[in-house]
Amino acid sequence: DAKTTQPPSMDCAEGRAANLPCNHSTISGNEYVYWYRQIHSQGPQYIIHGLKNNETNEMASLIITEDRKSSTLILPHATLRDTAVYYCIVRVGGSARQLTFGSGTQLTVLP
Amino acid sequence: GAVVSQHPSWVICKSGTSVKIECRSLDFQATTMFWYRQFPKQSLMLMATSNEGSKATYEQGVEKDKFLINHASLTLSTLTVTSAHPEDSSFYICSARVTSTYEQYFGPGTRLTVT
Repeated sequence: DAKTTQPPSMDCAEGRAANLPCNHSTISGNEYVYWYRQIHSQGPQYIIHGLKNNETNEMASLIITEDRKSSTLILPHATLRDTAVYYCIVRVGGSARQLTFGSGTQLTVLP
Repeated sequence: GAVVSQHPSWVICKSGTSVKIECRSLDFQATTMFWYRQFPKQSLMLMATSNEGSKATYEQGVEKDKFLINHASLTLSTLTVTSAHPEDSSFYICSARVTSTYEQYFGPGTRLTVT
């Protein structure tokens, strides 16, 4: 699976959009971009995933650049409960391999 | 759907004793389950892959005789930490993979403290 690079930490004001970047310059054509988050002392929670088109669900939007070398997770209206570590993971679709976690981005939503 | 539970959510045990952690997929079958360990301010590290009806596969550096894994059914995997030491204190998280889709879902984690 391709390696990802994320900033170690970010702050965001409550109610504003949180934009979390991820670089995956070595991504292959059959690899998807997945986003998970981990609230303190809880298990990881799936957020969203995509291949090349932008995706949106009730939690977030995922914007993938045309060359697929980077992506941005957008939380449109961040709340204090969105404070968590966000992990960007690249893996082959339908892969039987386990999810491998990098160091992620600690997002702190400030009141 | 796709709920994974762990029991207990936290446990304190004395050094030298053993403790068992259960991981259950509540509404789906999981041929494969994964066990991760997370130390404070660090990311999740895979310890082992548990396959129903067969022996677990351990990652390099993880002692298989210390961390016993049993995956006796399609909905239950257990991790037993034997002869626990304070350095085994950590957050243990299991993940179950849906047999048909390969999607992975995570349990809430178990906080182990060895005194």
